[in-house]
Amino acid sequence: AQKITQTQPGMFVQEKEAVTLDCTYDTSDQSYGLFWYKQPSSGEMIFLIYQGSYDEQNATEGRYSLNFQKARKSANLVISASQLGDSAMYFCAMREGGNTGKLIFGQGTTLQVKP
Amino acid sequence: EAGVAQSPRYKIIEKRQSVAFWCNPISGHATLYWYQQILGQGPKLLIQFQNNGVVDDSQLPKDRFSAERLKGVDSTLKIQPAKLEDSAVYLCASSLDRRSGEQYFGPGTRLTVT
Repeated sequence: AQKITQTQPGMFVQEKEAVTLDCTYDTSDQSYGLFWYKQPSSGEMIFLIYQGSYDEQNATEGRYSLNFQKARKSANLVISASQLGDSAMYFCAMREGGNTGKLIFGQGTTLQVKP
Repeated sequence: EAGVAQSPRYKIIEKRQSVAFWCNPISGHATLYWYQQILGQGPKLLIQFQNNGVVDDSQLPKDRFSAERLKGVDSTLKIQPAKLEDSAVYLCASSLDRRSGEQYFGPGTRLTVT
């Protein structure tokens, strides 16, 4: 069965430094997608970045990059130059390769950026 | 472009009462999802619609939860009767196509059952 694991319940980072949030996944599908979402205290899920299983290049979106290591089944999120507004809950999610396309989420990592 | 709209934002009810949530997806999005997010956990899919048909409702507690998407646009999620363990945030999301592209989430409805 598909599973997403985020082993870091909470992380701290100093403002302007880079931080890596870990995500490992388990699937028997050949085709799948990996997502990162940010959830601030307001509760809304904000899409950050997407990586397809057949994409050869690591995805980047502004200060966000996804370190995709397919053989290790990991999809870590790297946030460069952290800002105070980055303090939030971060979720890694996987879209199944089947018919539904539903997302399976990890438990999340709380990131706090210190001034 | 308007985002996914949900109402109400907050709801407090007593156990055994009923409650309904409303979602209006992004215009043109064929796929609509309802997720349940219990405090401290990631969202879990309850039901998924493609236009007005159900694609996946395997995780929906059908003895108390029901959902519909009439005319393939707006959707309502109902709980009757509510239990204490239903306290959670209910998130609605939509996407253009269920097999590709990101899902866009609404602000959620925070339900407290006392």
